[in-house]
Amino acid sequence: QKEVEQNSGPLSVPEGAIASLNCTYSDRGSQSFFWYRQYSGKSPELIMFIYSNGDKEDGRFTAQLNKASQYVSLLIRDSQPSDSATYLCAVSSGGSQGNLIFGKGTKLSVKP
Amino acid sequence: KAGVTQTPRYLIKTRGQQVTLSCSPISGHRSVSWYQQTPGQGLQFLFEYFSETQRNKGNFPGRFSGRQFSNSRSEMNVSTLELGDSALYLCASSSGTHQETQYFGPGTRLLVL
Repeated sequence: QKEVEQNSGPLSVPEGAIASLNCTYSDRGSQSFFWYRQYSGKSPELIMFIYSNGDKEDGRFTAQLNKASQYVSLLIRDSQPSDSATYLCAVSSGGSQGNLIFGKGTKLSVKP
Repeated sequence: KAGVTQTPRYLIKTRGQQVTLSCSPISGHRSVSWYQQTPGQGLQFLFEYFSETQRNKGNFPGRFSGRQFSNSRSEMNVSTLELGDSALYLCASSSGTHQETQYFGPGTRLLVL
């Protein structure tokens, strides 16, 4: 059974701080890793994807991947109240990307 | 470019009925995946269609089925509805090529009474 684990939170950080979201996965054959943001009552919105070990930066967001430890993380710098949402980690095991395995999400709350 | 669209957005059914949900992918996308989201189980993969063929299937009973048309639009059907089928059903589209990301539609919220 392929699994993706996330701390459900809630994770509370003050405005302007760095929010760190973590995710582990069980399938060593996983090749592609995604972070989605989901506001309450809305559908998931893609934030970042990462395929190779190391860091990938996009604006205030940095995704980090460590395949040896089967660990992927998302850092949000200068957190804003508008970043308050549930963050979903998703993993694909290669080949077709059509089958994503999702974690249950971490709820982030950014306090003004 | 228009995003993924899903119809209807909300639906109320009773146990034992069947339901059909529709998804139109982003123009040019050939892959459509369906997911079920519930508070308890989170987002779970139902199936993926690519070029009118089912390419992947999740661990759901046979009451859940789908199909894809030549214009890449997709439908999913749930027969003999159960209370536990109440969920947000999400469709996601991608080009279907390796390492291509998926983009989600707004979802259909189904309530089974």
